[in-house]
Amino acid sequence: EAGVAQSPRYKIIEKRQSVAFWCNPISGHATLYWYQQILGQGPKLLIQFQNNGVVDDSQLPKDRFSAERLKGVDSTLKIQPAKLEDSAVYLCASSLLGTGDEKLFFGSGTQLSVL
Amino acid sequence: SQQGEEDPQALSIQEGENATMNCSYKTSINNLQWYRQNSGRGLVHLILIRSNEREKHSGRLRVTLDTSKKSSSLLITASRAADTASYFCATDARGGSEKLVFGKGTKLTVNP
Repeated sequence: EAGVAQSPRYKIIEKRQSVAFWCNPISGHATLYWYQQILGQGPKLLIQFQNNGVVDDSQLPKDRFSAERLKGVDSTLKIQPAKLEDSAVYLCASSLLGTGDEKLFFGSGTQLSVL
Repeated sequence: SQQGEEDPQALSIQEGENATMNCSYKTSINNLQWYRQNSGRGLVHLILIRSNEREKHSGRLRVTLDTSKKSSSLLITASRAADTASYFCATDARGGSEKLVFGKGTKLTVNP
């Protein structure tokens, strides 16, 4: 079974530039998550989708972050413009939430450095 | 905000010893999960314990849950160098949006 795919693996940009991350969840997983993990901390949920609808985006900085999940499969997370404090690993995860199986499957993440 | 708090923040042991990590949380939960993260990688699910369960085993892992104290512990028996990683607890708050909230993690080092 293929896992959660994320790209790119690494990205270096200058502040005020824009950047986009892509995620392809495990086939059949209706729930998709984007987490931000700052060095030394645990992952923080940015946005949670159920199919192509948003379940929770309470911690998404909506003035600069946006995310979409067209057709309820792939998802993209965009930052525009980036700030120094956005340097982090961006993790995508998917799950079968609502089926009784609540565990999350994570991708390897995108490590973003904002200079 | 982070729901779970792991303790200790860092733990260093010798191969063959047992490692115990603790997690405390603030609100009532549906379930509590433990994840492992190797350096530079994504998180891997280890075990899930529901609020009506008190103990669960999976291989060398033993998880306990005390809902009256709002705490959980993860025990890794007979540790190996390959167990070196960060371990996170994550909680799914009851009555919430079913989002999973992670703690800050315990960094475990197993010395050969």
